[in-house]
Amino acid sequence: DAKTTQPNSMESNEEEPVHLPCNHSTISGTDYIHWYRQLPSQGPEYVIHGLTSNVNNRMASLAIAEDRKSSTLILHRATLRDAAVYYCILRTGSGNTGKLIFGQGTTLQVKP
Amino acid sequence: EAQVTQNPRYLITVTGKKLTVTCSQNMNHEYMSWYRQDPGLGLRQIYYSMNVEVTDKGDVPEGYKVSRKEKRNFPLILESPSPNQTSLYFCASGDGSSYEQYFGPGTRLTVT
Repeated sequence: DAKTTQPNSMESNEEEPVHLPCNHSTISGTDYIHWYRQLPSQGPEYVIHGLTSNVNNRMASLAIAEDRKSSTLILHRATLRDAAVYYCILRTGSGNTGKLIFGQGTTLQVKP
Repeated sequence: EAQVTQNPRYLITVTGKKLTVTCSQNMNHEYMSWYRQDPGLGLRQIYYSMNVEVTDKGDVPEGYKVSRKEKRNFPLILESPSPNQTSLYFCASGDGSSYEQYFGPGTRLTVT
């Protein structure tokens, strides 16, 4: 299974953009890039996913490098509610296609 | 409201006493899975099911059983719990189109 590497922690100020990086140098051509976040005392929550092109939704944007070996989750204006552990996950496009391989994630602190 | 429910939310039991953790989803999802979350190890998949009567092992299936008799339910069974199964358990479900997965609130299990 391909793995991802993320910084252990990051800090941001409220209402400023946040760029959360992820390296996945062993990604295969059929792997999707997913981001989930886990707020304290809750289950993981889907944020966004993509394959090759950049993606936007109401929660965030996902920028994928041209060689797909890295990606960046962008929160456009961080709020206190965005403080969570953010997981960058590769999901295979074949076989057990629902399997999410969670790494250690990045703990995001948002300061008022 | 779309949701995944788990019961019980908290459980303390003794070694060897069979238990079942229930999981139910109301989104007509085909894919369901169970994860356990342990400090320093992240979330690891235990079992998954791609449809009714179709189940398969994840990464850490030892000591667990599952069944999928109905689309909405995916119970996790511990026939003879041991202390190393003390963990936080999450059930998840997703459909086949986007694989955005929904996680339950978690079940904290302690085996003494």
